Amino acid sequence: AQRVTQPEKLLSVFKGAPVELKCNYSYSGSPELFWYVQYSRQRLQLLLRHISRESIKGFTADLNKGETSFHLKKPFAQEEDSAMYYCALYNQAGTALIFGKGTTLSVSS
Amino acid sequence: DAMVIQNPRYQVTQFGKPVTLSCSQTLNHNVMYWYQQKSSQAPKLLFHYYDKDFNNEADTPDNFQSRRPNTSFCFLDIRSPGLGDAAMYLCATSRDNRGSKNIQYFGAGTRLSVL
Repeated sequence: AQRVTQPEKLLSVFKGAPVELKCNYSYSGSPELFWYVQYSRQRLQLLLRHISRESIKGFTADLNKGETSFHLKKPFAQEEDSAMYYCALYNQAGTALIFGKGTTLSVSS
Repeated sequence: DAMVIQNPRYQVTQFGKPVTLSCSQTLNHNVMYWYQQKSSQAPKLLFHYYDKDFNNEADTPDNFQSRRPNTSFCFLDIRSPGLGDAAMYLCATSRDNRGSKNIQYFGAGTRLSVL
C-alpha cells in the first residue's frame, strides 16, 4: 500500500536552530515525492520536489530509499518558516497525490 | 494573481440540501482535482478530470459528483450533504499528471459547514 507518514504533528524550534521535518513513505518502486507548504491564511503550495534536487528558501530534502524517508531540513530556522508542511507522493498510477497528515512548524524568537 | 480560484470561500448548507462548489483556473491546465480535507487530516483526493475524462477514486461516496463544462471550470456537487461532509474542499490543477508537468497548483479552498 502507498502511504506517507509524518510522525510529528507539531515541531517547535527557536529562530536560528536547525529544523528537520520527518517524512517516511511506503511505495513499491521509485516514488515521486514532494513537500508542500501552507502558510497562515494562504493556499497550499509546492515547496520542493525530489527530482529537482533543489533548495528552496533554504530547505532541502533528500530521498533515502534505504530508509524510505524524505525528510525536510533547514540549517537555520526563521520565523517566517512557521507554517504547515505536508509531505506527498504520487500513487503508482501517477494520477493522485497521497498526502501525509502534515506537521506544523512553529519558529519562535 | 490567483491562478486557481475557488468560490465561495465559506459555504453553509443544510443537512440533505444539495450544494455546489466552484473552481476556475487561468493556467489552461489539462487536469483538475478535487480534494476533501477534514480537520487535522491529510487532503484526500475525491476525483479528477483529465480534459473531459472523469476519474473517480474508488472510495469516493456516490454522494459526490463533479462536472467540468470546459477547460477553465470544474464543479463539485454534493447531492445530499451529511454532517460528516463538513470539511475544507480543495481544488487543484496540473498541466499533466505524469512526468515533470505534474506539479499541482491549489486554490484557497472552500470550507463547507453542514447544519
